[in-house]
Amino acid sequence: DTGVSQNPRHKITKRGQNVTFRCDPISEHNRLYWYRQTLGQGPEFLTYFQNEAQLEKSRLLSDRFSAERPKGSFSTLEIQRTEQGDSAMYLCASSPRTENTEAFFGQGTRLTVV
Amino acid sequence: AQSVTQLGSHVSVSEGALVLLRCNYSSSVPPYLFWYVQYPNQGLQLLLKYTTGATLVKGINGFEAEFKKSETSFHLTKPSAHMSDAAEYFCAGNNFNKFYFGSGTKLNVKP
Repeated sequence: DTGVSQNPRHKITKRGQNVTFRCDPISEHNRLYWYRQTLGQGPEFLTYFQNEAQLEKSRLLSDRFSAERPKGSFSTLEIQRTEQGDSAMYLCASSPRTENTEAFFGQGTRLTVV
Repeated sequence: AQSVTQLGSHVSVSEGALVLLRCNYSSSVPPYLFWYVQYPNQGLQLLLKYTTGATLVKGINGFEAEFKKSETSFHLTKPSAHMSDAAEYFCAGNNFNKFYFGSGTKLNVKP
């Protein structure tokens, strides 16, 4: 098991462009989370899947953000019409179905909007 | 709403000195609590966790934390700091399957 994998690790994009990030969770984990982290802050919850169902979305997740987890395996996070304020580290995590176990994090995707 | 508060955004200790990083949680029901460490441009790595049972929890790299319900605290300690401990540390809680994080404490270790 190679852990949670995120691609790309770094992304530089021009304002107004669309970007998509991918997360491959640990294979037997049912739960998948997306977090956003800006400099000097802790991770902020964006959204959460159990299998393919998106169970909760943060108010931080504006209409420009969409996340999917088809077939309950990998997940994608898309940001449309990027803004400079979207620049951040986007972290993906997964955890097993057993309640209240820890989340296992990927290395993150650092997005820079210029 | 559930939350965790980390006191001190920066902590500096000398190599070999005690490390104490503070975390307090806010909840009417004790949540499940975690400490994570993050190195620059990396994801978060679990140090230790409290779910139920023993209130003194031992983790990796010599770290431990004590859950104190009366103080709503979950402070992280290490008896002797090592240069490799320099990183950012996050306290986190889990209630109803969503993790929520403190704002982090950057630990600097001086030679």
